[in-house]
Amino acid sequence: DAMVIQNPRYQVTQFGKPVTLSCSQTLNHNVMYWYQQKSSQAPKLLFHYYDKDFNNEADTPDNFQSRRPNTSFCFLDIRSPGLGDAAMYLCATSTSRGLNNEQYFGPGTRLTVT
Amino acid sequence: AQSVTQPDIHITVSEGASLELRCNYSYGATPYLFWYVQSPGQGLQLLLKYFSGDTLVQGIKGFEAEFKRSQSSFNLRKPSVHWSDAAEYFCAMGRRGGSQGNLIFGKGTKLSVKP
Repeated sequence: DAMVIQNPRYQVTQFGKPVTLSCSQTLNHNVMYWYQQKSSQAPKLLFHYYDKDFNNEADTPDNFQSRRPNTSFCFLDIRSPGLGDAAMYLCATSTSRGLNNEQYFGPGTRLTVT
Repeated sequence: AQSVTQPDIHITVSEGASLELRCNYSYGATPYLFWYVQSPGQGLQLLLKYFSGDTLVQGIKGFEAEFKRSQSSFNLRKPSVHWSDAAEYFCAMGRRGGSQGNLIFGKGTKLSVKP
């Protein structure tokens, strides 16, 4: 089945130690999104790629970066994780950026910072 | 400011009972509206969406939602809840005309189902 896959599902990192989260998709969608969802809070968009075009949200900290080496893969890099970065990170895809296009979500990666 | 409010953090209903989850939005025009469901350990799945037209929208798994402009609401309903409906439900809003595809989510309502 076509899907959005996130690896790992659970990630533990140390304060200040760089960490990379991975997302892959078999849907061949043009757009890939990264959301941060803290405990008991709504998912919040960090950034998205439309094809190779990177679009950062204005309030996304510089500590968060992303790479999209090809259509199928997108990575979230946290350069120096702080305790406040502990959250569920959700990857989503859509065929286009228009809101008539459904976003398909992966299962998420839960990040713990020790 | 654009926002989505889900007033109920946690709701418990008995299996077979009806369900209504509330969602209110704040936006200067008619937004795109969505309901997503998130089962434990799973990603978000789209239940239904409203863009225009008929204000009563049918979705998957027997869910429906009604857009009420006068109340700025988009409440989710199901006539008879099943135990498998226990999950967290998110209402989301997209900005009409926006090119970024940005969804603004509510904080979610956790649904528990009693046998």
